[in-house]
This record gives sequence, structure tokens and C-alpha cells, in this order.
Amino acid sequence: QKEVEQDPGPLSVPEGAIVSLNCTYSNSAFQYFMWYRQYSRKGPELLMYTYSSGNKEDGRFTAQVDKSSKYISLFIRDSQPSDSATYLCAMSRRGNDYKLSFGAGTTVTVRA
Amino acid sequence: DTEVTQTPKHLVMGMTNKKSLKCEQHMGHRAMYWYKQKAKKPPELMFVYSYEKLSINESVPSRFSPECPNSSLLNLHLHALQPEDSALYLCASSPPGQGTPYGYTFGSGTRLTVV
Repeated sequence: QKEVEQDPGPLSVPEGAIVSLNCTYSNSAFQYFMWYRQYSRKGPELLMYTYSSGNKEDGRFTAQVDKSSKYISLFIRDSQPSDSATYLCAMSRRGNDYKLSFGAGTTVTVRA
Repeated sequence: DTEVTQTPKHLVMGMTNKKSLKCEQHMGHRAMYWYKQKAKKPPELMFVYSYEKLSINESVPSRFSPECPNSSLLNLHLHALQPEDSALYLCASSPPGQGTPYGYTFGSGTRLTVV
């Protein structure tokens, strides 16, 4: 069993729809949770990070963490074609742990 | 400056060649990383440098040799690679002493093709 599970998709939505992405994890030691966006042939770009259960909002993006269920989500409101990318969840065990555990990544296409 | 700069962007090398990848950041980050990413796969950690010292080597073959000459620069020396080593090589950095909680800043990568 992988430490972090993420459905690779692909996911295709019309412009303006809400995109819902999620990851589950098995290691209860994970404390820090991140979402990265990666455009084709580019490096991953950090979108959001959080270290507690609950919601965190940044513009059109909302990250949710439910540590009791070992489940994290990313929602993208009013999706745009420019949101078409691969979204990777990532997590780490504690502040001075240099290793990130990544999900497989979900490929999202927003249709104009 | 909030970037991690990687050069070259593309590299084609033969199996007998020696080449180097370069990574530079000027954000004062004291942890730097090399990752390898195959198509449609997540990044895989190769090496971590913390305060210019090798902190983690994820059992990477010796044909990959990292070097951290100073706090802003990270190199990856390549020698006698195999075609299966073709991938996107990503450099990343993170703030001093904070490891990963706030995530890394990644470079755009070097797309390596071994022929």
C-alpha cells in the first residue's frame, strides 16, 4: 500500500465548474500537507500548505484537511482553462523532516 | 529573487559522456534537493543537502554525483548514464532549518535524454 493515494484521473470539467481533488494517506505521522500545481514540462509550483485539520482558503483555492479520516482535498472554484495542469498532493512527517511524500498527481483539463 | 534556476533546460547525452546539471537559488534557503521525475509520475527524491552537507542519499547509483559548492549552488554530475535515466531532473530548495513544512520551491527542471 502506498503511503499517499491520489486518483490520477484524468479529470475534465467545463470552464467555471468547481474542481475537486483529494488524497488519502496511511501514515498518521504526517503533519504538514501541501498541494502543488505542475504544468507540462515545468517544475511543480506550491499552491497551498497547511498543518492542521480544517479549511484554508486562498482566492479561488480551498484546501481541506481531515486528520481523523486521513483525507485531504483541494477545491478550485470558477475554474479557468489556465488551471489545466497536474495537481500533486504532498505531505511530510514533521518540521525538520526533509522528505516529502507525493501523491501520483491528478491531471485536470478545464474546457473553454 | 524567489526563483530556483536550473541549467541547462534540455540535455541530450550519450552513455559514455560526462555532463553536469546546475541549480542556483538566492533566497537564503539552506536545504537543497535533487529530484527525478519520469513522465506521468510524481517526483522521486534523490539527494538532500542541508547547510551544504549531504544529508540524504536515497540509494542513488554512483553514476549520479551531487555537489554543493556553496549555499546558493547545487550541481549534479552525470557519468555513464543509461537510457532509463532519461527524465526531468528537478532541483528544489527550502528555508533554513525548516525542512518541508512550508513546501519547497522547485526549479523548472532539466529534461535529460540519454541516447
